[in-house]
Amino acid sequence: QSALTQPPSASGSPGQSVTISCTGTSSDVGGYNYVSWYQQHPGKAPKLMIYEVSKRPSGVPDRFSGSKSGNTASLTVSGLQAEDEADYYCSSYAGSNNVFGTGTKVTVL
Amino acid sequence: QLQLQESGPGLVKPSETLSLTCTVSGGSISSSSYYWGWIRQPPGKGLEWIGSIYYSGSTYYNPSLKSRVTISVDTSKNQFSLKLSSVTAADTAVYYCARHVPDTANFDYWGQGTLVTVSS
Repeated sequence: QSALTQPPSASGSPGQSVTISCTGTSSDVGGYNYVSWYQQHPGKAPKLMIYEVSKRPSGVPDRFSGSKSGNTASLTVSGLQAEDEADYYCSSYAGSNNVFGTGTKVTVL
Repeated sequence: QLQLQESGPGLVKPSETLSLTCTVSGGSISSSSYYWGWIRQPPGKGLEWIGSIYYSGSTYYNPSLKSRVTISVDTSKNQFSLKLSSVTAADTAVYYCARHVPDTANFDYWGQGTLVTVSS
């Protein structure tokens, strides 16, 4: 099972929106509504931001939203803030397997 | 508040076995609703799921690592453990333990991670 494909980088100015894609196959992203997104600041553990494609855990701002179409999932961060600068990873269930994305570094300009 | 803490040697020699333990506090590892997993991250690289275990001992592993991985659980100590055999420099990584909602990609609580270096 190959890693899910994400763009290496994305950026936006404070207050703007940025969208990150996560492309897999019909065996993972396209086959299940179990895509999660994680935020990771340098030297820290990943933090769950979105689960089951579009659900937010308690405490995650509603500026973070998720969606999926076919084999591609997306994370949108609206109203970018300085603290949103981090690495973001998607992950998908793949039938007795779990696959992570290649990661995207989000820069707040 | 659920907390997970990894522990184990920070240096392992090539061809030997890497062993780590995750201690869970603030909740029971015997919860019927969750698996407990290991994920690793080589320096400067992305995340890789290694495998997960249920409190009953049922496991499932990343197919690419399955031949070298054993995950076990000790409910009396509220701990689960990872063994990775025949390690090489490519196994150098930060190793995380995490709580895992079964049959999803939802890892909702993570340990802080521990760096394991494979070197002679």
